[in-house]
Amino acid sequence: AQTVTQSQPEMSVQEAETVTLSCTYDTSESDYYLFWYKQPPSRQMILVIRQEAYKQQNATENRFSVNFQKAAKSFSLKISDSQLGDAAMYFCAYRSNTGNQFYFGTGTSLTVIP
Amino acid sequence: DAGVTQSPTHLIKTRGQQVTLRCSPKSGHDTVSWYQQALGQGPQFIFQYYEEEERQRGNFPDRFSGHQFPNYSSELNVNALWLGDSALYLCASGGNTGLALSEQYFGPGTRLTVT
Repeated sequence: AQTVTQSQPEMSVQEAETVTLSCTYDTSESDYYLFWYKQPPSRQMILVIRQEAYKQQNATENRFSVNFQKAAKSFSLKISDSQLGDAAMYFCAYRSNTGNQFYFGTGTSLTVIP
Repeated sequence: DAGVTQSPTHLIKTRGQQVTLRCSPKSGHDTVSWYQQALGQGPQFIFQYYEEEERQRGNFPDRFSGHQFPNYSSELNVNALWLGDSALYLCASGGNTGLALSEQYFGPGTRLTVT
């Protein structure tokens, strides 16, 4: 089974600064999808950004961008101009192109300091 | 457009009891997946339903079962509850073609406490 590892249980960032959350994964497949989800205290998981493995270009969504290193099996999330509303638990997730199951990491709790 | 909805929000049950959780997918979605999220952990895949059948199952015992209705809504049933079943249960819906195949939208979850 695929595994997703988030080695930073907690991170903090000053408001308006930039922070990078790390994620690595293990797979023998060549085609798959990677995701970052945000889970605020309200519990609802919100999709932040998605990356298709066959695309070399890193995905971006406004202040959120990823650094996808396929050979290194690394998928980090960069949050620029951090805002108080970015405070949440962030989960990295993997989905095979042939399966239906999402595999999640254990999450990184992000604190934004005013 | 209502997103994924789940009911109830919170539930308290006693060991050995049975529980049913409900989920309505986002409009236009026809697959429903269920996840168990223990405190401080990431979600763990239980199973996925499509066309009223269980399409894929994670590493969960047969005490966990489900159902999908013709309107795509779904139920998760857990029999013979253990204390370890206490968790947040998340429902996620998605499409079955194209980009929608790769996406999952989550509901707010049902917090189940087993005493």
